[in-house]
Amino acid sequence: EIVLTQSPGTLSLSPGERATLSCRASQSVSSSYLAWYQQKPGQAPRLLIYGASSRATGIPDRFSGSGSGTDFTLTISRLEPEDFAVYYCQQYGNSPFTFGPGTKVDIK
Amino acid sequence: EVQLVESGGGLQQPGRSLRLSCAASGFTFDDYAMHWVRQAPGKGLEWVSGISWNSATTGYADSVKGRFTISRDNAKNSLYLQMNSLRTEDTALYYCAKDRLWGSYSGTLGYWGQGTLVTVSS
Repeated sequence: EIVLTQSPGTLSLSPGERATLSCRASQSVSSSYLAWYQQKPGQAPRLLIYGASSRATGIPDRFSGSGSGTDFTLTISRLEPEDFAVYYCQQYGNSPFTFGPGTKVDIK
Repeated sequence: EVQLVESGGGLQQPGRSLRLSCAASGFTFDDYAMHWVRQAPGKGLEWVSGISWNSATTGYADSVKGRFTISRDNAKNSLYLQMNSLRTEDTALYYCAKDRLWGSYSGTLGYWGQGTLVTVSS
């Protein structure tokens, strides 16, 4: 199975700052089948990005994804108060589909 | 509005069985693949299993293969997860999720329920 590693584990930033989250795969992810999800405390996750760089319906354009092969990045251009949450990457190119351990973005 | 409502969770002893259900509404259920994802208390997400719209394709995490079985009843707009030989490490909140893509087993999870809690303990 493909193992995903996310860094950093925690990112402490202020509103208005730029956030850069990394996701690395143990082997190449087929056709950039890489997704990002946001999860806030007590809530179910929400799909942000699929296909490495396509925003899901209703996701603000301050969220962007990039990367291919084994290295992927989620960027939040200017953090809004509602963006402080945990972010997970997921590969769905090979079964079993797997998630990374998550990056927590908290308020500095 | 898409709604996914999980049920069937609870406390069960190691080695016993439990069956989870997910009632779907607000979309044409038999057009979409469905998945189960779990989250142990205070931990990250783990994809558990998925099933295509017509049940022709199923997939499982290595940790549950041979113990869990996913199924669906399109006439009842329902998804199921039969969990046998339960272990303490199966303790988690189990989410039902709808695949993003119409007619495809893509693995991207566009809508999620609120989850049902399974606790395995003696």
